[in-house]
Amino acid sequence: EPEVTQTPSHQVTQMGQEVILRCVPISNHLYFYWYRQILGQKVEFLVSFYNNEISEKSEIFDDQFSVERPDGSNFTLKIRSTKLEDSAMYFCASSLYGGSGANVLTFGAGSRLTVL
Amino acid sequence: QKEVEQDPGPLSVPEGAIVSLNCTYSNSAFQYFMWYRQYSRKGPELLMYTYSSGNKEDGRFTAQVDKSSKYISLFIRDSQPSDSATYLCAQGTGANSKLTFGKGITLSVRP
Repeated sequence: EPEVTQTPSHQVTQMGQEVILRCVPISNHLYFYWYRQILGQKVEFLVSFYNNEISEKSEIFDDQFSVERPDGSNFTLKIRSTKLEDSAMYFCASSLYGGSGANVLTFGAGSRLTVL
Repeated sequence: QKEVEQDPGPLSVPEGAIVSLNCTYSNSAFQYFMWYRQYSRKGPELLMYTYSSGNKEDGRFTAQVDKSSKYISLFIRDSQPSDSATYLCAQGTGANSKLTFGKGITLSVRP
């Protein structure tokens, strides 16, 4: 069964450092997403991406965050200068369609980011 | 507020029990509701979704939406130890499949 692959599974970084989290979405999917889950809290939407541009972003997704699809297969989330509160599990997801919310999002296993 | 609230857990039941998991939502503008299951060290996996009110059944699982009370429920019949996981309710709240999740409830089914 096709799956969304995320790397690294766990990254530890110092506050102020740049971090890039990588994702390989399902090959025929067109919509890509990042969500995050701080320990003990809800899974929160960060950003959606379609046709090489951001289609929607949350208030969490400030200027410290950026996303990119550098080639035909990878989808990355960059955090420019990490803060302690960026420590969370980051989930990448993809879907074949966009639309009104009934579409199946397939999630990756997540990348755990620990900022010291 | 565009929140989805979920009953706190954890929940522990014996094998074979009927499990009822519940959420409430505040935003009536969007009518797609999902249940995701998340095993340890894995990402959320879509279990079921429903649109608007009513029931949807898939094997041992039934998803129910009550628009009048803004209540979402998931029923698991004949629960199995393999059902032990965290269950997340979610509402489709955006034009691009943006999801708003509940906090999740951890279910443990004892053999």
